Amino acid sequence: EAGVTQFPSHSVIEKGQTVTLRCDPISGHDNLYWYRRVMGKEIKFLLHFVKESKQDESGMPNNRFLAERTGGTYSTLKVQPAELEDSGVYFCASSPTGTGAWGEQFFGPGTRLTVL
Amino acid sequence: AQSVSQHNHHVILSEAASLELGCNYSYGGTVNLFWYVQYPGQHLQLLLKYFSGDPLVKGIKGFEAEFIKSKFSFNLRKPSVQWSDTAEYFCAFAGSGTYKYIFGTGTRLKVLA
Repeated sequence: EAGVTQFPSHSVIEKGQTVTLRCDPISGHDNLYWYRRVMGKEIKFLLHFVKESKQDESGMPNNRFLAERTGGTYSTLKVQPAELEDSGVYFCASSPTGTGAWGEQFFGPGTRLTVL
Repeated sequence: AQSVSQHNHHVILSEAASLELGCNYSYGGTVNLFWYVQYPGQHLQLLLKYFSGDPLVKGIKGFEAEFIKSKFSFNLRKPSVQWSDTAEYFCAFAGSGTYKYIFGTGTRLKVLA
């Protein structure tokens, strides 16, 4: 079974540019999550999809961040325009339906975003 | 505020030494607790989890953790570490009925051969 995949693995952009990160969850997992880790700090929750619906987006920093999950499969996270403080590692995770909050979340390798 | 405190940011041990990594959480309700590990160049993966029942939880690779409710703690232990345990370890919780994980800042463990 393939794990969670993320693309790209690294992205270096200039302040003010736009970047789109992609996450492909494990096949059949309805729950998809985005997290971010700013260097040296904790991994912070950004949002949670159930299929194509946003279940919880309480962690999204501001309206420069837009997450979508068309068709309930892969998800994209767009940052527009990017600011210096957006630099960090963006993790995606997924979990199966019906496991509830006690279910294991399976993490992808992360995308390292550097904003110059 | 909901938070996790991991007291040790960097730990260096020799092989065969015993390990205990501290984790305390702040939350006003029932929690599900997790320890994740990230080996160099690899994904975060689950070491162990606690939801209910026996507060002493055993995980993969000889790790265990004990939930002490009165102390809001979930410390990770291993009696004898190996060089291959070199990794970053993250403690996390999810409030009962919620899906979002609250992570600590992580502890980098280096085991010297």
